[in-house]
Amino acid sequence: SQQGEEDPQALSIQEGENATMNCSYKTSINNLQWYRQNSGRGLVHLILIRSNEREKHSGRLRVTLDTSKKSSSLLITASRAADTASYFCATDHNNAGNMLTFGGGTRLMVKP
Amino acid sequence: SAVISQKPSRDICQRGTSLTIQCQVDSQVTMMFWYRQQPGQSLTLIATANQGSEATYESGFVIDKFPISRPNLTFSTLTVSNMSPEDSSIYLCSASGTPTYNEQFFGPGTRLTVL
Repeated sequence: SQQGEEDPQALSIQEGENATMNCSYKTSINNLQWYRQNSGRGLVHLILIRSNEREKHSGRLRVTLDTSKKSSSLLITASRAADTASYFCATDHNNAGNMLTFGGGTRLMVKP
Repeated sequence: SAVISQKPSRDICQRGTSLTIQCQVDSQVTMMFWYRQQPGQSLTLIATANQGSEATYESGFVIDKFPISRPNLTFSTLTVSNMSPEDSSIYLCSASGTPTYNEQFFGPGTRLTVL
């Protein structure tokens, strides 16, 4: 079953602004992974953050994880039109053998 | 990272027919999975493809409808059987678990339309 909940469901910003997407989950995790999906295409892996980590960076991406609140956030700084896509969080639970449960996704539109 | 390819990339099929989707990984992986993404929706796990044994299906998915093979550590197939328009979706395979990483990487997906 889908466990992750993402908000907002849709986000529209101007190029250059920052975009923040949030993900919540219900049961303990081994790690949490963020993905990007351009329209109708496959998923691109962005970042994996483990349960004992609180923050990770990759280029303009910053992911935080708060296991006490069972939530994570993805921040894209200085957004570009090319960042327009759907963003999904996916949780890997301790007893699931790397099986992922996906959130509903956030559709991000960056206007030039 | 692992590079995953899928064939076909898209297909249009008639009701009642079957389609087999192939997934190839460029390195040996521990785990392979098949997901379905219905239009405008998130991903739902269909099954875990187990090498050398029967796949493990999630609730709502059965082997007769979605038979899966995994003959080795780099290749898997998913068959969508006796298709109906409700099976129109993107089908994605993924892989994880190599000696150097446990991120899960996805193939480009197969867009299936059933008429």
